[in-house]
Amino acid sequence: LAKTTQPISMDSYEGQEVNITCSHNNIATNDYITWYQQFPSQGPRFIIQGYKTKVTNEVASLFIPADRKSSTLSLPRVSLSDTAVYYCLVGADTSGTYKYIFGTGTRLKVLA
Amino acid sequence: DAEITQSPRHKITETGRQVTLACHQTWNHNNMFWYRQDLGHGLRLIHYSYGVQDTNKGEVSDGYSVSRSNTEDLPLTLESAASSQTSVYFCASSYGLAGTDYNEQFFGPGTRLTVL
Repeated sequence: LAKTTQPISMDSYEGQEVNITCSHNNIATNDYITWYQQFPSQGPRFIIQGYKTKVTNEVASLFIPADRKSSTLSLPRVSLSDTAVYYCLVGADTSGTYKYIFGTGTRLKVLA
Repeated sequence: DAEITQSPRHKITETGRQVTLACHQTWNHNNMFWYRQDLGHGLRLIHYSYGVQDTNKGEVSDGYSVSRSNTEDLPLTLESAASSQTSVYFCASSYGLAGTDYNEQFFGPGTRLTVL
């Protein structure tokens, strides 16, 4: 199983771009990288997923270098409502075995 | 709108009792998952199912069981509740498998279980 390492917490100010980096040195060839967001007292919510290079959607961008040993979630112009825990997951279903593992995540606090 | 619901939202029980947590989804997803969340541990996978009559153990399956008799429901049973099972439980479903398109998991609101 690919282990992920993220910063435990980060602080930012409203309007700034936030980058959260996740290390996954033993990522496997078939593994995808997925990020979820979780607000207090709620279940996690899917943000973005990628395999290589860059992926962008309406809420975030995901940058993956060529060696895929790390990835960076980029949140443009954060607001107070982006205060949440962000999880990086690495894995893929192999022979019917689920291999995504949620770590402890990065607690982002956005300040006014 | 399609949704995933869990019941009860809060439950207090005693050690040794059998407890069943319900999870119901109207997405018509084949894949369903149960996680527990404890402080300092993030989310840990308990059991998962890829379809009717299919169940698989996750990383923390001891003391828990699931059954899948239809597409919509995956109830989680604690055979003999222990204080160590006090936690918040989340159910999730997805259309695709991990590492494929449409593998986004949709999570329920969670059940807070306290075992005294």
